[in-house]
Amino acid sequence: GNSVTQMEGPVTLSEEAFLTINCTYTATGYPSLFWYVQYPGEGLQLLLKATKADDKGSNKGFEATYRKETTSFHLEKGSVQVSDSAVYFCALSAGDYGGSQGNLIFGKGTKLSVKP
Amino acid sequence: GAVVSQHPSRVICKSGTSVKIECRSLDFQATTMFWYRQFPKQSLMLMATSNEGSKATYEQGVEKDKFLINHASLTLSTLTVTSAHPEDSSFYICSASLAGGGTDTQYFGPGTRLTVL
Repeated sequence: GNSVTQMEGPVTLSEEAFLTINCTYTATGYPSLFWYVQYPGEGLQLLLKATKADDKGSNKGFEATYRKETTSFHLEKGSVQVSDSAVYFCALSAGDYGGSQGNLIFGKGTKLSVKP
Repeated sequence: GAVVSQHPSRVICKSGTSVKIECRSLDFQATTMFWYRQFPKQSLMLMATSNEGSKATYEQGVEKDKFLINHASLTLSTLTVTSAHPEDSSFYICSASLAGGGTDTQYFGPGTRLTVL
């Protein structure tokens, strides 16, 4: 079946450090891949996405590249800020919205804490 | 932007009682709402998908008679946990999708922490 595995947290970094949060997936067919972020006390927000192999999603300085050969979608940011402290979820959608009813499969989440 | 609220944010109840959780889309109409459940240090698991005016579609293994979902309007869906037991204690999260939107247009609520004593 479809699944998502992401690195366990928590991850603690100093401001301006480089961030990588690993995410690998198992899926049949050609899934779309997502990173969601949840800031304290708020709902999940879509951070970035990629819908096909070699696509790069980017937003707010974060990037992730859809690697079909390694079934990975690692999240990276070159210089983190205190305001990036949040929980990050990797997710996949295995079908079109009309077919799968928007069924998102999530990883367990990785908590990031950035210290000044 | 699109905002989804949930009420209550936390609820503690006694075993055997029923608890209702509301999910509202505040500034948009949501034809589809999703209910997820998250155990500590686990993934969000989709419980059910509800479309306005029709019966919810439940994921395999989710008891529809225990988790009653009502999506009576385009801005409100409710999840009722009936005869709650301690094993139902969890974090319940809803999301709402814009009419005609794809997976990436799901907007998530902040979640409801249910504790059953």
